[in-house]
Amino acid sequence: GEDVEQSLFLSVREGDSSVINCTYTDSSSTYLYWYKQEPGAGLQLLTYIFSNMDMKQDQRLTVLLNKKDKHLSLRIADTQTGDSAIYFCAESSDDYKLSFGAGTTVTVRA
Amino acid sequence: DAGITQSPRHKVTETGTPVTLRCHQTENHRYMYWYRQDPGHGLRLIHYSYGVKDTDKGEVSDGYSVSRSKTEDFLLTLESATSSQTSVYFCAIGAGSGYEQYFGPGTRLTVT
Repeated sequence: GEDVEQSLFLSVREGDSSVINCTYTDSSSTYLYWYKQEPGAGLQLLTYIFSNMDMKQDQRLTVLLNKKDKHLSLRIADTQTGDSAIYFCAESSDDYKLSFGAGTTVTVRA
Repeated sequence: DAGITQSPRHKVTETGTPVTLRCHQTENHRYMYWYRQDPGHGLRLIHYSYGVKDTDKGEVSDGYSVSRSKTEDFLLTLESATSSQTSVYFCAIGAGSGYEQYFGPGTRLTVT
């Protein structure tokens, strides 16, 4: 949606780190999410962060939240070919209705 | 796998016909959602439910209705399908206190 923006494409070399960025406009956002979608599949919830946190780490994934700038990022360490997918940023307020960005297509090259 | 199935997985229908998509969950979650996915738009919320017989509109609800007569089933109806409703439709459930949303496999609908 218009309230969440992401860059459309990212190309990264296998083994490097990927950083996917997202900005949102709703200052009342309570939860911020990253989803992964592989071709022909549904959306897989990768991770989410509560708005009173500024960082969350889960294995190869690191989420950074700058609430002042309304900026969210997802870092994938040691990117693998299986990480090639579309990544969606989303936000919700206390009503749990998600607003999604248009998605970032990540291509991992050998 | 959050125990969500959608049926049918693919459907082709003609303009003006009614269509019903079904979402079924096995884990008794209170919150259920219908989204549509179109290129360049990400996913947009159509309708959602916060309990049996409790539903509300989302961002793009025109031309759609929903029903939830049982906790496990959430139905999306296109009252008179139009070509602009050609899309991939995803159902989701809200786990935990509702803020963890898990998605079904999707239904690809083509309206000719």
